[in-house]
Amino acid sequence: QVTLKESGPVLVKPTETLTLTCSVSGFSLSNARMGVSWIRQSPGKALEWLAYTFSNDEESYSTSLESRLTISKDTSKSQVVLTMTNMDPVDTATYYCARIKKYSPYYGMDVWGQGTTVTVSS
Amino acid sequence: QSVLTQPPSVSGAPGQRVTISCTGSSSNIGAGYDVHWYQQLPRTAPKLLIYGNNNRPSGVPDRFSGSKSGTSASLAITGLQADDEADYYCQSYDSSLRVVFGGGTKLTVL
Repeated sequence: QVTLKESGPVLVKPTETLTLTCSVSGFSLSNARMGVSWIRQSPGKALEWLAYTFSNDEESYSTSLESRLTISKDTSKSQVVLTMTNMDPVDTATYYCARIKKYSPYYGMDVWGQGTTVTVSS
Repeated sequence: QSVLTQPPSVSGAPGQRVTISCTGSSSNIGAGYDVHWYQQLPRTAPKLLIYGNNNRPSGVPDRFSGSKSGTSASLAITGLQADDEADYYCQSYDSSLRVVFGGGTKLTVL
């Protein structure tokens, strides 16, 4: 059974750096056809894709947030970490990680974590 | 503003058929990239509903179907049920090597 679980702080202050961890099970981060993607959803708003990473170090970032995001992975720990710098109250959202596949679905996300809610406030 | 355009809301009575459109451009849907659809029930994580334009993951009822033509795609739901009330998102890939989402459509079952 494939599962993903997000973890990280519930509250961060403006200008701080957010670090979120996605712990996966049921598949290997060394599988070339499967990776991890991060998506967020601000309260009452649409899904917003943030970044993805695959085992061959293929990475991509949202154009609007690229300068603030870094995605990394620890294959031995089955974890993917997303860092977002210079947090602002508008970054308050539920952050999801999901398995992204290169085939069936082509760069689609077939299994999602439950999400973790992050509030940015002083 | 989302890269893919969806209507903010649609509605239908139980038993009816509704469709949700998703319009992209020549750099994403029109470039031949697959369209996927997600269902997000209230206060839950999104769930893959349709992948590869018109394929259903195991467990998804055949009341849900997808199609794609040119720079657009559609999700159709037949035999509308009360528990279909949710937000629906389309998603594709872009020639800039990025994932793109639609703005989401809220389905109300009257």
